[in-house]
Amino acid sequence: DTGVSQDPRHKITKRGQNVTFRCDPISEHNRLYWYRQTLGQGPEFLTYFQNEAQLEKSRLLSDRFSAERPKGSFSTLEIQRTEQGDSAMYLCASSSLTGTSYNEQFFGPGTRLTVL
Amino acid sequence: QQQVKQSPQSLIVQKGGIPIINCAYENTAFDYFPWYQQFPGKGPALLIAIRPDVSEKKEGRFTISFNKSAKQFSLHIMDSQPGDSATYFCAASKNSGYSTLTFGKGTMLLVSP
Repeated sequence: DTGVSQDPRHKITKRGQNVTFRCDPISEHNRLYWYRQTLGQGPEFLTYFQNEAQLEKSRLLSDRFSAERPKGSFSTLEIQRTEQGDSAMYLCASSSLTGTSYNEQFFGPGTRLTVL
Repeated sequence: QQQVKQSPQSLIVQKGGIPIINCAYENTAFDYFPWYQQFPGKGPALLIAIRPDVSEKKEGRFTISFNKSAKQFSLHIMDSQPGDSATYFCAASKNSGYSTLTFGKGTMLLVSP
């Protein structure tokens, strides 16, 4: 399978704990995006990387959230001191800047976070 | 501020019917409009996308109609099948999609056999 992969698929944690999610984009894709989706809503942008550089962060990304893409390949999203309001599906998407007239983003299956 | 408004929230059609989902946007800088299909427990999958230089695009049973002056676009699903039952999201982006996507709230479609 050469699509976007995310790990874990499900995470249950207690309020106050730290959690980390991983995203592996489609091979050779330059851009990697993180979105958050709550029940009954569309995905909302959190942050994105071009190669290893984090180019934009949403106001939704509080200082408890941090994302990295150290070698321009996989990315991690960490949430510190989780709160019940962090419960959501965290989606990763990737896209290529090469040879395309416009930017198609391909999504992974998501990580479902439940904060008790 | 909701930049992309999607309707209806839910839709039920019979097999073979043509569900129509509508979206309206506010930001005239948007120039790329994709539709995504999402099944429960899965990530969104890109269905079809359009740019404002054309008024219609067809791919298989899926058609996007685009009205630039009204800042509206819609998805039509021809000959709908029970397997099309899913949640559909419209989205919009600037810079030919090289910016982030702004999504609508989604439409839950049920196609009855």
